[in-house]
Amino acid sequence: GAVVSQHPSWVICKSGTSVKIECRSLDFQATTMFWYRQFPKQSLMLMATSNEGSKATYEQGVEKDKFLINHASLTLSTLTVTSAHPEDSSFYICSARGRGVYEQYFGPGTRLTVT
Amino acid sequence: KQEVTQIPAALSVPEGENLVLNCSFTDSAIYNLQWFRQDPGKGLTSLLLIQSSQREQTSGRLNASLDKSSGRSTLYIAASQPGDSATYLCAVRSYAGGTSYGKLTFGQGTILTVHP
Repeated sequence: GAVVSQHPSWVICKSGTSVKIECRSLDFQATTMFWYRQFPKQSLMLMATSNEGSKATYEQGVEKDKFLINHASLTLSTLTVTSAHPEDSSFYICSARGRGVYEQYFGPGTRLTVT
Repeated sequence: KQEVTQIPAALSVPEGENLVLNCSFTDSAIYNLQWFRQDPGKGLTSLLLIQSSQREQTSGRLNASLDKSSGRSTLYIAASQPGDSATYLCAVRSYAGGTSYGKLTFGQGTILTVHP
């Protein structure tokens, strides 16, 4: 089956610094990638959708200058949290979809803690 | 705007019981509905996907039903085991204004604990 990986699995950073999370599709070409955020005991909230080679489309209320998304290749998307603050601490999950199909495959998630 | 609600929020049962998790959605114009499992601190594992034209899907001890007109789905787990303990998420894929293949909207999940 299709596999999506994320790196790192967890990261701790200091307030004011930036942190980058990578999402890779290992055995298929991901024409579309999605980034979700999940607070404890809450659902997944879609942050943005990106198509390879295009700018990401952000959901309402998500600051695009704070959460920078780059989908430079068919196997890699990155999410950079800029000037992180403690309220950005969360579980970030990426998802990827191949060309011509609707099914999404989910990564294992990245736990971000901002101190 | 699609909204997905799952009931109950948490469920604790003894091993061996059959159980039902419920999911409801507000907009019946969906492409499909999917049930996922999430273990603590982990990503999502897809369990079952029901197309909008289908009524149910089965995989092993799991059976998911879909009543699109009433906006409801149930996940039935037979003969529950401690290894079934996890959070179960329901997600519907619905039209999202210009995006191809729609958009997934998740419920808040049901935390299931199966004790020996």
